[in-house]
Amino acid sequence: GAGVSQTPSNKVTEKGKYVELRCDPISGHTALYWYRQSLGQGPEFLIYFQGTGAADDSGLPNDRFFAVRPEGSVSTLKIQRTERGDSAVYLCASSRSRGGPNTGELFFGEGSRLTVL
Amino acid sequence: KQEVTQIPAALSVPEGENLVLNCSFTDSAIYNLQWFRQDPGKGLTSLLLIQSSQREQTSGRLNASLDKSSGRSTLYIAASQPGDSATYLCAVLPRAYSGAGSYQLTFGKGTKLSVIP
Repeated sequence: GAGVSQTPSNKVTEKGKYVELRCDPISGHTALYWYRQSLGQGPEFLIYFQGTGAADDSGLPNDRFFAVRPEGSVSTLKIQRTERGDSAVYLCASSRSRGGPNTGELFFGEGSRLTVL
Repeated sequence: KQEVTQIPAALSVPEGENLVLNCSFTDSAIYNLQWFRQDPGKGLTSLLLIQSSQREQTSGRLNASLDKSSGRSTLYIAASQPGDSATYLCAVLPRAYSGAGSYQLTFGKGTKLSVIP
């Protein structure tokens, strides 16, 4: 697609429920990132995929968070047993791989706003 | 650990003024620095990307500079317009090509700009 697409744009759930957030990156971008942004803060890194594999998941806060990218394109961020503290905007970004001009430039989606009641 | 600071946190200017937003970072071992714009409730829009070997980049009324040795970047906006009102975020990508953390953008908290008509 023309840009990074994220669904749903808004998700309200109850504490303890399971949530999936989807990201469709820019066509041809092999690198995909998930970030989380709390109110008044800059985005914080969660996980990075190069192709199908998670190359760096050091930002995931705990084992309730998991992300997959089975075919190297669309990615799903999964949150189990949601807690009120998980409420935030979850941003997905994609980029071309490093190694050429303007590589490392990230393009972000509109985000998925998660509210845990 | 890389830390990114943006000053001021908020700025209000009358339409037509030229203005400068500041970004400082603690670790000069960066691959690139990127400036983003974020409108309320929206994702991030990439404005300018400066590679570590560059000193500035220009796009229309925007000019971003990078002084890696002093850990500073500025975003200059000429002839500001009400449509420029948004939060501006800077983010740095570390220089390392591999290893944990090497693909993590570190963001500042942003400067909220209001341009008064």
